[in-house]
Amino acid sequence: AQTVTQSQPEMSVQEAETVTLSCTYDTSESDYYLFWYKQPPSRQMILVIRQEAYKQQNATENRFSVNFQKAAKSFSLKISDSQLGDAAMYFCAYYSNYQLIWGAGTKLIIKP
Amino acid sequence: SQTIHQWPATLVQPVGSPLSLECTVEGTSNPNLYWYRQAAGRGLQLLFYSVGIGQISSEVPQNLSASRPQDRQFILSSKKLLLSDSGFYLCAWSRRGLTYGYTFGSGTRLTVV
Repeated sequence: AQTVTQSQPEMSVQEAETVTLSCTYDTSESDYYLFWYKQPPSRQMILVIRQEAYKQQNATENRFSVNFQKAAKSFSLKISDSQLGDAAMYFCAYYSNYQLIWGAGTKLIIKP
Repeated sequence: SQTIHQWPATLVQPVGSPLSLECTVEGTSNPNLYWYRQAAGRGLQLLFYSVGIGQISSEVPQNLSASRPQDRQFILSSKKLLLSDSGFYLCAWSRRGLTYGYTFGSGTRLTVV
């Protein structure tokens, strides 16, 4: 069965610095999709970035980028120029064969 | 553009009372619809999903039920709430295949007292 692991329950970063959140997954599939979601204190879940496993190029959305290592089954999220509004829970998720598997989340704290 | 509405935002209900949470989607047709629950400080737990009117799949046996009376309407219900039903409930929709991920509603914070 597929699993998603976020090994960092909490991370903190100074405002304007760069932080990387880790995510690993376990699967025997070759075609799948990976997502990072953000849940701010309002608790609404917001899609941050999406990666298709067959694409070698890492996805980028403004200050957010991923380091997708398919062989290592790793999907980390890099946030550049961290802002106070980035403070949130971040969830990694894996999709294949009509299943969406979620990690336990990483709480990101931004220090002013 | 597609939007998803979920209400109410906050609800306090006594033990043993009924529950009805509603979710509607606009701007799309034939969406996949989902109900998730999130306990405080925890991840997401899929409760129900639906691929069409009247088609409900339950992921976790429990005190809750779901219904989809219309294509873009998804309702979470309970006949008698338990204390353990407290939590944050999120409705979501996706296109067929889920390859673009979910779009979530704003959530309902349910407290059973």
